[in-house]
Amino acid sequence: DSGVTQTPKHLITATGQRVTLRCSPRSGDLSVYWYQQSLDQGLQFLIQYYNGEERAKGNILERFSAQQFPDLHSELNLSSLELGDSALYFCASSVVGRGDQETQYFGPGTRLLVL
Amino acid sequence: QKEVEQDPGPLSVPEGAIVSLNCTYSNSAFQYFMWYRQYSRKGPELLMYTYSSGNKEDGRFTAQVDKSSKYISLFIRDSQPSDSATYLCVGGAGSYQLTFGKGTKLSVIP
Repeated sequence: DSGVTQTPKHLITATGQRVTLRCSPRSGDLSVYWYQQSLDQGLQFLIQYYNGEERAKGNILERFSAQQFPDLHSELNLSSLELGDSALYFCASSVVGRGDQETQYFGPGTRLLVL
Repeated sequence: QKEVEQDPGPLSVPEGAIVSLNCTYSNSAFQYFMWYRQYSRKGPELLMYTYSSGNKEDGRFTAQVDKSSKYISLFIRDSQPSDSATYLCVGGAGSYQLTFGKGTKLSVIP
């Protein structure tokens, strides 16, 4: 158990809908990362937050947004969902988010299926 | 071309075998490299971290980086069924950006 929690574990929804994925980082970790994992693309970095502020953006679509709250939990909002958004969404956390020589701890993921 | 390339496998070996997992990368900006292990239906977990060319050993695992040829390897000695997982090669540049390979699926047969 990494100490990172994600809810829900599974989510089934329809095209055009909007969903919110939630992540609680490990106690003491200030940085949260969101990743998307699909069979054809592998694990793709979406966005990073550090202590409530956006730090870095990766391959995140404009239909997707995220935020980190004062209690450091984070939410990833996915809107106008398309079939291709079906994937595993992982949250990871680290202490200060410097990347080098710092471990990112991954949560168990949310499996999203868009029908 | 993806920045980090791995053979997806699957790779099946008998228990006790030496496993060699390989990865190539194209981004010269990568400063450090990692191997993550991902069990089925679980999140990835960090296995090895290397910052420079050469070898790094941790128990049964050895990570090898050759920056001149942009080639990364992970060796597993005395492989166990519990090593059955997908192994993700990762390149890192700067303070946060990690680039993951698609992973190699390994099965160790008892």
